[in-house]
Amino acid sequence: KAGVTQTPRYLIKTRGQQVTLSCSPISGHRSVSWYQQTPGQGLQFLFEYFSETQRNKGNFPGRFSGRQFSNSRSEMNVSTLELGDSALYLCASSLVSGAGYEQYFGPGTRLTVT
Amino acid sequence: SQQGEEDPQALSIQEGENATMNCSYKTSINNLQWYRQNSGRGLVHLILIRSNEREKHSGRLRVTLDTSKKSSSLLITASRAADTASYFCATPPPGAGSYQLTFGKGTKLSVIP
Repeated sequence: KAGVTQTPRYLIKTRGQQVTLSCSPISGHRSVSWYQQTPGQGLQFLFEYFSETQRNKGNFPGRFSGRQFSNSRSEMNVSTLELGDSALYLCASSLVSGAGYEQYFGPGTRLTVT
Repeated sequence: SQQGEEDPQALSIQEGENATMNCSYKTSINNLQWYRQNSGRGLVHLILIRSNEREKHSGRLRVTLDTSKKSSSLLITASRAADTASYFCATPPPGAGSYQLTFGKGTKLSVIP
């Protein structure tokens, strides 16, 4: 089975622009979660989607949004980029939504905002 | 806010030695998971231990869980240079309908050949 894929792997954007990141989960997985990783704050939960519905959202401003498609693929969007948005964005998929299942992570998208 | 806190923050050992990392958490949990991350890449799931389990093994990995002390430890035996990575413990909030992991800041392990 192919693993979780994320595109693009690297991205450089300018302050004020917007960006869309894509995540394709493992085939058959219906839950997709997004995390932001920075040296200062570590790994922080952004949101989780299950069956095209956002189930939970972390403590991030409204500039961060996402969606999930019927094939479970997910996108996240960040508008009006700030320097502090520079981070590794990780997507993880899980068979179902729930606390008892392990998550499989993709390689991440490294976003640099200049 | 951080649920899990790993200790130590950094650990350097010689190849062949054992490495022990600890994780403390604050609230009750259903399970605790350990992940490995190689230099700025995605996380790899290592072990999930449920709240009613005390110890779990996977290859050279041994995880213990003490719910009374709200702590867990990860032991890597006979370490190899390839074990060099950051190790994170993570917990999902109890009773949460969705899947949200709260990670600690990690232990950076360096295995010297």
